[in-house]
Amino acid sequence: QKEVEQNSGPLSVPEGAIASLNCTYSDRVSQSFFWYRQYSGKSPELIMSIYSNGDKEDGRFTAQLNKASQYVSLLIRDSQPSDSATYLCAAYSGTYKYIFGTGTRLKVLA
Amino acid sequence: KAGVTQTPRYLIKTRGQQVTLSCSPISGHRSVSWYQQTPGQGLQFLFEYFSETQRNKGNFPGRFSGRQFSNSRSEMNVSTLELGDSALYLCASSMTENYGYTFGSGTRLTVV
Repeated sequence: QKEVEQNSGPLSVPEGAIASLNCTYSDRVSQSFFWYRQYSGKSPELIMSIYSNGDKEDGRFTAQLNKASQYVSLLIRDSQPSDSATYLCAAYSGTYKYIFGTGTRLKVLA
Repeated sequence: KAGVTQTPRYLIKTRGQQVTLSCSPISGHRSVSWYQQTPGQGLQFLFEYFSETQRNKGNFPGRFSGRQFSNSRSEMNVSTLELGDSALYLCASSMTENYGYTFGSGTRLTVV
């Protein structure tokens, strides 16, 4: 069973701090990785995608990928209370489906 | 640009009944996927359609079925509903399979 694993949290960080969310995956052929944000009672929203090893930055968000270690992370700089949500990591392995982790709940404390 | 539209938003059904959920993808998106989301299991893949063809199917019983029409709209059907089918059903569309999804607002199904 191919899996994507995340710590369920909650991860609590103070406002203005860096939040670090981590994800590991088991399928070595996974090609692409995605981070979704899901607010309570809402559907997931795509916030970052990463396809190659290294860092990818978009505003306050940085995604990091290490295929050798099968590890993906999302850094949120200058965390805001509005960033409080569940963050889902997903991997795509080329079979027309994405495997999702169960998500990490982030709480940003004002 | 209109997003992914799912109808209805909420449904309450009785055990043994059947239900049909509808999804209209973003214009130009030909890939439509369906997921079931529950608190304990997270997002579980149901199936993916592209140009009216099912290209992959998850590990769900045959009571779960779907189809896609020539205009890319998709429906999923669940027959002989069970209490355990209560969940949020999410439809997602994408331009290509490797581009990431845009999710609809979901259909919250409650089976009583």
